[in-house]
Amino acid sequence: TQLLEQSPQFLSIQEGENLTVYCNSSSVFSSLQWYRQEPGEGPVLLVTVVTGGEVKKLKRLTFQFGDARKDSSLHITAAQPGDTGLYLCAGEQTGANNLFFGTGTRLTVIP
Amino acid sequence: ETGVTQTPRHLVMGMTNKKSLKCEQHLGHNAMYWYKQSAKKPLELMFVYSLEERVENNSVPSRFSPECPNSSHLFLHLHTLQPEDSALYLCASSRLTGGLYEQYFGPGTRLTVT
Repeated sequence: TQLLEQSPQFLSIQEGENLTVYCNSSSVFSSLQWYRQEPGEGPVLLVTVVTGGEVKKLKRLTFQFGDARKDSSLHITAAQPGDTGLYLCAGEQTGANNLFFGTGTRLTVIP
Repeated sequence: ETGVTQTPRHLVMGMTNKKSLKCEQHLGHNAMYWYKQSAKKPLELMFVYSLEERVENNSVPSRFSPECPNSSHLFLHLHTLQPEDSALYLCASSRLTGGLYEQYFGPGTRLTVT
């Protein structure tokens, strides 16, 4: 099993604060995806990063893929209550026909 | 209807019952997946179907039996389940695009085994 550890496991912050979520592994991935899951729904794909060192921005969300393609981070600027949810990273390895999902970070943004 | 749909959304069943979960995707994808999501555990991959053939079975107990009659439909047949099987069961689909298995999930079926 290719384990992707996410930290922190739980995070509760006030609206307007910044935060960073981490996704770490000892394995190399050909790509890494981030999903957000809201209560009662399935995960929704936010972004895919492919190249080591790649940085992608989605409005207030900034995603980075580590140079060695073993880790990734998600930074949220000025968090809003709508950002509340479970954030999951998922890695893909060459030759595998599925993704390996991380342990998840549950974010709560308090108004 | 678009995306990935799952029915039923909620299911309560006894340990001796037989039931089936249904998933349908309207995205033209050629791979479909069943996942189990329990509290305090990472998302667990159960089965993978690629071009309607099962390519992955992650040591899932035989009381779970998948069926993929065509590329748009996926079923999970359940029988003699245990209380620890209570969880959210998620279906997903994907298309291999440049080597990326970007997955589109349904809303899930919340299963309670009594």
